[in-house]
Amino acid sequence: DQQVKQNSPSLSVQEGRISILNCDYTNSMFDYFLWYKKYPAEGPTFLISISSIKDKNEDGRFTVFLNKSAKHLSLHIVPSQPGDSAVYVCAASALGSNYQLIWGAGTKLIIKP
Amino acid sequence: ETGVTQTPRHLVMGMTNKKSLKCEQHLGHNAMYWYKQSAKKPLELMFVYSLEERVENNSVPSRFSPECPNSSHLFLHLHTLQPEDSALYLCASSQDSGLPGTEAFFGQGTRLTVV
Repeated sequence: DQQVKQNSPSLSVQEGRISILNCDYTNSMFDYFLWYKKYPAEGPTFLISISSIKDKNEDGRFTVFLNKSAKHLSLHIVPSQPGDSAVYVCAASALGSNYQLIWGAGTKLIIKP
Repeated sequence: ETGVTQTPRHLVMGMTNKKSLKCEQHLGHNAMYWYKQSAKKPLELMFVYSLEERVENNSVPSRFSPECPNSSHLFLHLHTLQPEDSALYLCASSQDSGLPGTEAFFGQGTRLTVV
């Protein structure tokens, strides 16, 4: 049973518009969430994170929102650029289990020119 | 060099071969990880080392044998693998501070094909 789910395998967005990537989780013990960007056949690159004590974290064009009651987080990219085309993977960790990052399957983002 | 470096980038091996994957991190981190990435599946954690001691082993078959001689180096020894072990093997490192949440930094991965 997947504890971190990214239900959209792919998303296509026009350049300049907002990209919204979603992630749902089932474990209420998760207290830290991360987004990674991944290109095919390469390791993921850390993008942005959020602690469960916050509901929003912003870094340049990237903003992550956390809705604890809904067990849902989202990554907003605005404006979307062609270089943002990649797979975006959501991960979560639980209090007392820093080693064990639980990963989603990823969403492939395609930015159309 | 900086970051996390994995060698080789690609490896093709027969089911009776013995090979090793190597990972080196130059970030001063104290924890290192092996992950397996199969097509269209989430990353699977295989092994975790913290301060050179194995702290987690997610029921990985014994044909995979990790080794962590020091905090900067991690190996994955492979022996009598099966074709279904073909995947991208990723090494990562992080700084285990004891505080909640930490980012892991990944290497480029080794694309392993078992024939």
